[in-house]
Amino acid sequence: QVQLVQSGAEVKKPGASVKVSCKASGYTFTNYYMHWVRQAPGQGLEWMGIINPSGSSTSYAQKFQGRVTMTTDTSTRTVYMELSSLRSEDTAVYYCAKSRGEFSLYRAFDYWGQGTLVTVSS
Amino acid sequence: EIVLTQSPGTLSLSPGERATLSCRASQSVSSSYLAWYQQKPGQAPRLLIYGVSSRATGIPDRFSGSGSGTDFTLTISRLEPEDFAVYYCQQYGTSPRTFGQGTKVEIK
Repeated sequence: QVQLVQSGAEVKKPGASVKVSCKASGYTFTNYYMHWVRQAPGQGLEWMGIINPSGSSTSYAQKFQGRVTMTTDTSTRTVYMELSSLRSEDTAVYYCAKSRGEFSLYRAFDYWGQGTLVTVSS
Repeated sequence: EIVLTQSPGTLSLSPGERATLSCRASQSVSSSYLAWYQQKPGQAPRLLIYGVSSRATGIPDRFSGSGSGTDFTLTISRLEPEDFAVYYCQQYGTSPRTFGQGTKVEIK
């Protein structure tokens, strides 16, 4: 069965960086794009970007351009999302989410990780 | 960027009743790339509907989606106790992918 297992909660100071991992299993890792979505406390869902796990091509939401980097390690079937220059407004649960269709950029998100809480506080 | 506006913000209903949730897009959604997700407290979202009206794997047939262009609807024919949650629509046909602000379905 498909599983996405994320790394544990993080507490960071303003200005620092955080790197969240998402380890995939149960499907052909390189055939499906992976997205990152975040959710601030009590708020809605916000798309951050997408990565092609096979070729590492990425596309980021304009809001996060210059601050976010998504990478992949095919040997461990893991994708990473690093967010830099953290501020209090970045406090949120960060999710990885698998694209539903093979080799396709434009599909719904059919499996989600359990979420990683990142708290930014001085 | 396509802005999705969901209504109502909160829907207060009893088990067994019908729920109708609306999602309106600021411009036409490309190729019917519209999805609905359910989220319960402390959990990740779960895909219910994709391509406007196709149910995801394992989703009961009391959930149905409809619409086209800029107006979309999620209908839950008879609410079960486990259906009380927050529901989000999403368009995934253009970047950035965007979500509505959510509709909370609560027990009356």
